[in-house]
Amino acid sequence: AAGVIQSPRHLIKEKRETATLKCYPIPRHDTVYWYQQGPGQDPQFLISFYEKMQSDKGSIPDRFSAQQFSDYHSELNMSSLELGDSALYFCASSPQRSTGELFFGEGSRLTVL
Amino acid sequence: AQSVTQPDIHITVSEGASLELRCNYSYGATPYLFWYVQSPGQGLQLLLKYFSGDTLVQGIKGFEAEFKRSQSSFNLRKPSVHWSDAAEYFCAVGMNSGYSTLTFGKGTMLLVSP
Repeated sequence: AAGVIQSPRHLIKEKRETATLKCYPIPRHDTVYWYQQGPGQDPQFLISFYEKMQSDKGSIPDRFSAQQFSDYHSELNMSSLELGDSALYFCASSPQRSTGELFFGEGSRLTVL
Repeated sequence: AQSVTQPDIHITVSEGASLELRCNYSYGATPYLFWYVQSPGQGLQLLLKYFSGDTLVQGIKGFEAEFKRSQSSFNLRKPSVHWSDAAEYFCAVGMNSGYSTLTFGKGTMLLVSP
């Protein structure tokens, strides 16, 4: 079965650079979520989209932005990168708003040097 | 807002012994509850979930969990642990009405000794 696809899987950037992560949800899933997991931490909710509109916002820094496109894929844009942004970024999708079950991708590991 | 507490940061269990990982949640109504497992550097794999109905839910890899409303708990159990079960386990809670993000606990690292 198709899963959530995230790219790139690994990314290395310098401080103050910009990074873009992409997420392709499971087909027919209309909701996408982004989570950030720092080293040794639990996943923290950043932002989510339902039907291409932002539906919820968590602890996402102002330097970060995201959007969901017409084909339902989503991109997380991170600017002015800081060392503390080094983390595993998960995208998840869900098939309908009321299900509550999230299907996670393998994650994109961002390292900021 | 919902929250999840996993009181044990690390647990060591002998291979073949039984396992119980604790999870307590805080939420005003009946929540959606999940257990995820994560191997180092890997993604989150769903072990099992509770939405409603039977309070004892079966998951993959021989895991089960029991929802106890009176204790606000959703503990994960396995009767006999295998070395391959060594990983980090996250309990998560979501709201049961409409759109919901998941809130994760801090995780419990399971170590399996020979």
